[in-house]
Amino acid sequence: EVQLVQSGGGLVQPGGSLRLSCAASGFTFSSNWMSWVRQGPGKGLEWVANIKQDESEKYYVDSVKGRFTISRDNAKNSVYLQMNSLRAEDTAVYYCAKGGRFPDYWGQGTLVTVSS
Amino acid sequence: EIVMTQSPVTLSVSPGERATLSCRASQSVSSNLAWYQQRPGQAPRLLIYGASTRATGFPARFSGSGSGTEFTLTISSLQSEDFAVYYCQQYNNWPRTFGQGTKVENK
Repeated sequence: EVQLVQSGGGLVQPGGSLRLSCAASGFTFSSNWMSWVRQGPGKGLEWVANIKQDESEKYYVDSVKGRFTISRDNAKNSVYLQMNSLRAEDTAVYYCAKGGRFPDYWGQGTLVTVSS
Repeated sequence: EIVMTQSPVTLSVSPGERATLSCRASQSVSSNLAWYQQRPGQAPRLLIYGASTRATGFPARFSGSGSGTEFTLTISSLQSEDFAVYYCQQYNNWPRTFGQGTKVENK
């Protein structure tokens, strides 16, 4: 059974940092692109970033470029999202997802709240 | 960036009726179009990919069609568990982009 278990969300002040983690199981992690997608409160879905199997390609939505970094550890079957210089508009539920084109499995989501 | 526009924003349908949802891309995405279902408080679930291929676990009452810039998701006979928000998403270009969603509600 494919599982994506997320951790690391919470409340952070504007300008602060947070690192999200996603532990995968039930599939060959090292053979799959991975992605992060977010959903603001009461809003739709927004693709944030994705990463190729060997980290040779990474893509970010413009609004997070230079502030967020996606990475992975294939030995630990995990993908990460380092979020720096956080803004109020980054407040959202963040989902990790398996796949880089049309994710077929999603984590449970983790809430990130940026507020003073 | 490719802009995805869904219509209507809200669709009121009675159980057993047909639901037709539309998605338009600002430029051609070929058949690189997916649909997701999201129930309240849950993560999205992949429903359709390649514009018309049903994902695992979804019954045949769900069907997708279209190519280029115009796409349709049809639910042939709505069941209670189908009331949800549906999103389209293109994966022809980066950044991947979603439509704003169509909420299918009980009439």
